[in-house]
Amino acid sequence: GAGVSQSPRYKVAKRGQDVALRCDPISGHVSLFWYQQALGQGPEFLTYFQNEAQLDKSGLPSDRFFAERPEGSVSTLKIQRTQQEDSAVYLCASSLAGTGYSNQPQHFGDGTRLSIL
Amino acid sequence: LAKTTQPISMDSYEGQEVNITCSHNNIATNDYITWYQQFPSQGPRFIIQGYKTKVTNEVASLFIPADRKSSTLSLPRVSLSDTAVYYCLVGEDNAGNMLTFGGGTRLMVKP
Repeated sequence: GAGVSQSPRYKVAKRGQDVALRCDPISGHVSLFWYQQALGQGPEFLTYFQNEAQLDKSGLPSDRFFAERPEGSVSTLKIQRTQQEDSAVYLCASSLAGTGYSNQPQHFGDGTRLSIL
Repeated sequence: LAKTTQPISMDSYEGQEVNITCSHNNIATNDYITWYQQFPSQGPRFIIQGYKTKVTNEVASLFIPADRKSSTLSLPRVSLSDTAVYYCLVGEDNAGNMLTFGGGTRLMVKP
């Protein structure tokens, strides 16, 4: 079956521009996560949705970062006024069930590589 | 969240068994141990998860001693395609929980 799909795979933007990254989770998956992965490091949590509700956004590095999942399926991560330190791979993951459900591994997309010039 | 420590890198040869050990001295009672694999330019992929003793699936085995302060991921007869970064994670087995990744172990399989 189809996995988690992210687009675009690569994005180059000039410093100060706004960007939008899209995530299509596995159909029916309740939970959706965004992670940021710097070169040579492990992914770091940004934000979590259960259906359309954003339950945790503690990992968002600044108020320039905004995420939404209005209909509980597709999610968009938006970064405003991009800075060079925003350059990273942005990963989206989804899992079948939400809080309180066990033994549901997170399935990752292949990420969007963002480069800020 | 329990901190994990694992080797930065390991080398092996095709056909050998590879064991990657992860230390998690502060693991909590409700925590599970999960391993992910990541190839270049791809997202992490779930390999195996366990709570205690031994878990085996078609890809790997996970050995967890009684004190649960460490765990060992065992990959039988590795091939070149097993070259990847392997992450050990510790946390509640809860679909609504974020994953906390460390630096991982870079496994290089040589011919």
